[in-house]
Amino acid sequence: DQQVKQNSPSLSVQEGRISILNCDYTNSMFDYFLWYKKYPAEGPTFLISISSIKDKNEDGRFTVFLNKSAKHLSLHIVPSQPGDSAVYFCAASPKTSYDKVIFGPGTSLSVIP
Amino acid sequence: EAGVAQSPRYKIIEKRQSVAFWCNPISGHATLYWYQQILGQGPKLLIQFQNNGVVDDSQLPKDRFSAERLKGVDSTLKIQPAKLEDSAVYLCASSFRRLDPYEQYFGPGTRLTVT
Repeated sequence: DQQVKQNSPSLSVQEGRISILNCDYTNSMFDYFLWYKKYPAEGPTFLISISSIKDKNEDGRFTVFLNKSAKHLSLHIVPSQPGDSAVYFCAASPKTSYDKVIFGPGTSLSVIP
Repeated sequence: EAGVAQSPRYKIIEKRQSVAFWCNPISGHATLYWYQQILGQGPKLLIQFQNNGVVDDSQLPKDRFSAERLKGVDSTLKIQPAKLEDSAVYLCASSFRRLDPYEQYFGPGTRLTVT
């Protein structure tokens, strides 16, 4: 049973435009949400996170939006750059155990110059 | 600051053989994680150590997988005997504090192919 879903395996965006990556979750106990970025042959690196008490968190070109009622979050990248081409994992962890991170299957983003 | 080190980077073995992976976490990180990432899926936690003690190994297939972190620093994950479905990337991660998920730092992983 997949608790964190990323229904788009891949996404292509033109350089300079907005990239929107979506994520849905099923477990209402999830309290903390994260996005990781992964380049080929490298391990995932933490990108941005959001607590369930917020609905938006922004860090430079990256913004994460959380809609708790819909159990949905999204990552916006504006403007998109070719260096953003990578696999993006949505992840979540419960309040009872923040270190128990559950990852989604990932979305491969290609930013076309 | 040196990152999480893993070796080997790639390994090809036949089914029923054994294999071992090594991980050296970031210096001072007390918590160490082993994840399995099958192609097309996200990383799945296999085992978590706090210093040299096991915190969670509920998803570790204990009939064939074992892991140790004897001195609370580096760690070894072993598979014996390997099955075709064990083909995956094995990621090691570490964190300074156990309850800060955003501070999990990942190594480059070991890509295992079982033929």
